[in-house]
This record gives sequence, C-alpha cells and structure tokens, in this order.
Amino acid sequence: NAGVTQTPKFQVLKTGQSMTLQCAQDMNHNSMYWYRQDPGMGLRLIYYSASEGTTDKGEVPNGYNVSRLNKREFSLRLESAAPSQTSVYFCASSEMAVREPLPPYEQYFGPGTRLTVT
Amino acid sequence: GENVEQHPSTLSVQEGDSAVIKCTYSDSASNYFPWYKQELGKRPQLIIDIRSNVGEKKDQRIAVTLNKTAKHFSLHITETQPEDSAVYFCAANQGGKLIFGQGTELSVKP
Repeated sequence: NAGVTQTPKFQVLKTGQSMTLQCAQDMNHNSMYWYRQDPGMGLRLIYYSASEGTTDKGEVPNGYNVSRLNKREFSLRLESAAPSQTSVYFCASSEMAVREPLPPYEQYFGPGTRLTVT
Repeated sequence: GENVEQHPSTLSVQEGDSAVIKCTYSDSASNYFPWYKQELGKRPQLIIDIRSNVGEKKDQRIAVTLNKTAKHFSLHITETQPEDSAVYFCAANQGGKLIFGQGTELSVKP
C-alpha cells in the first residue's frame, strides 16, 4: 500500500497563476483533509471532506477550493495564487467516525507539496 | 471554536534527560488528543494519542497525561535520545476535525 500520495512534490508559481494539488489514498478511508504548514503556525486545516460527496471549510479556506473526486481522491485548487499562499501543503486521510460523540481516528499524512508563489 | 496552545516553542535537553511539552485546549467537548512527530523534511506521524475517558497513557519512553478539568494535556519523553530530535505537535478534535498546536522543536544534544 502506498498510503497517502501527493503530487507534485515541489511547485513554483507566479502571482495570479492557478494550479491543482492532487491527493490520493489507498486505505479506503472515508475522510480526507488539506492542511498548510507555515513556520511557527503549526498545521492549519484548509478544507476537509468527511465522506465522499461532502466538503467543508476549515480554519483558513480563503483562496482555495476543493473537490472530492471519489473516495480515493481529494484535490486542492488555487485559482489565483498569492505570495501569502507560499507554504507546505499536506493532505491526510482518516478512517473517521464523524458523527459525535465518537472521536476521530489516526490521520495519515501524505509527503507534502512545497509551494512557492513569487 | 477550538483553540490549542502549545508550549514551549523550542526545547533543548541533554541526551538521557526527560522532556515535557504542554498543551491547553478551549473546547470542553473535545475528547481526542493526539501527538504527532515531524522529522525535518518529513510528514507528521502519530506517536501517541489519548481519549477523554483515561487520564494517562504510556508507550515505552513516551507518555501522555490529560487533565480534563483544567483542559490541558502533556507529552512526556523519558531517557531522550538524539533520534527524538524533531518537531512535536499536539492536537485536539473539534467534532471530526483536528486543531493543532503551533509545534515544539525538540533538540536532544548528545
């Protein structure tokens, strides 16, 4: 099993360009997530998909869109990249019980995409 | 919403010493508290987690304690080794999501 995979590993964009980050998991997990990681800020949730067919905003959704293409794949799109979106992006998946009060399960992270916007 | 504060931001210890990292959370409904380790250039990986129905959990040299009344939880690493050097993140759940602390960079000096 490959676990969680992400493409590309590195990307440089000019301000205003668009791109899509791809994520796929082969663990048959229901839930998938997109985070960004900036120095001193921890991991901040951008969007998540509790199950196939649903998506919800996280802590920092502005400037991003997502698509849960199927159970395996969850993509993140930057429509008009800005320098403030320079970051490392991680996708994660979880076999999660989203209905409270059941707690979530371990999240498995992909290797990350390092994005620079100039 | 949930807010998770983590301290200290950096921690330097001698090999063999203990290290303690502390986190506080704000949402009393949170019931799941994982800790992730991230080595330089790598992805975060779960090292231990605790659910709200227990106060302490151990796994070899690492342990986590939870005080629900005070809304804080801590990671304890004993007999630290150079390979423990990494960034450690705590998190708390808000429903089905995880809210992460800002991270602690642990450096273990030989």
